[in-house]
Amino acid sequence: EVVLLESGGGLVRPGGSHRLSCAASGFTFTNYAMNWVRQAPGKGLEWVSGISASGGGTYYAHSVQGRFTISRDTSKNTIYLHLTGLSPEDTAMYFCAKGDQPTVTTFEFWGPGTQVTVSS
Amino acid sequence: DIQLTQSPSSLSASVGDTVTITCQASQDITNYLNWYQQKPGKAPKLLIYDAYNLQTGVPIRFSGSASGPLFTFTISGLQPEDIATYYCQQYEKLPLTFGPGTKVEIK
Repeated sequence: EVVLLESGGGLVRPGGSHRLSCAASGFTFTNYAMNWVRQAPGKGLEWVSGISASGGGTYYAHSVQGRFTISRDTSKNTIYLHLTGLSPEDTAMYFCAKGDQPTVTTFEFWGPGTQVTVSS
Repeated sequence: DIQLTQSPSSLSASVGDTVTITCQASQDITNYLNWYQQKPGKAPKLLIYDAYNLQTGVPIRFSGSASGPLFTFTISGLQPEDIATYYCQQYEKLPLTFGPGTKVEIK
């Protein structure tokens, strides 16, 4: 059974930095791309970032390019999202999502999410 | 970026009705389109991938089709547990994008 569990959410001050984690299990981690998708309160879904199965390709939405960094640790079956330069517009539920192939395309399974609130 | 337009933004239907949602892309996306269901307070769930294909374990009342740039998602026989918001998503080009969602309610 595929299980994704995000952690690291919380209250962050504007301009601050934070790191989210997503621990994965139930599948061969090195075979699949992984992603972060967020949802602001009462709004729709927004893809934030993806990383290829090999880790060699990292991709970002325009809204976070240059501020967020995605990475993966194959020894821990975990992906991370390092957030910097946070603004209230980054307040959202952040979901980790497993791809269905080595490249960034589809969100096959999702974690329950972790809430990030940016406020002073 | 590829924009996805969903219609309607919300609908209300009776149990047993057939419900149809459309998604139109701003440019050609071949059939690189998926459909997700999100129930209130929950993470989204993949229902249909590559426009037509039913994800494993998803009830057969859910289906997808395509005609040129217009994609259609259908629930054949709406059930109370289908109350949710439905999103389309394209992966023809990065950045990956979602439609704005269609909220489905029971009449």
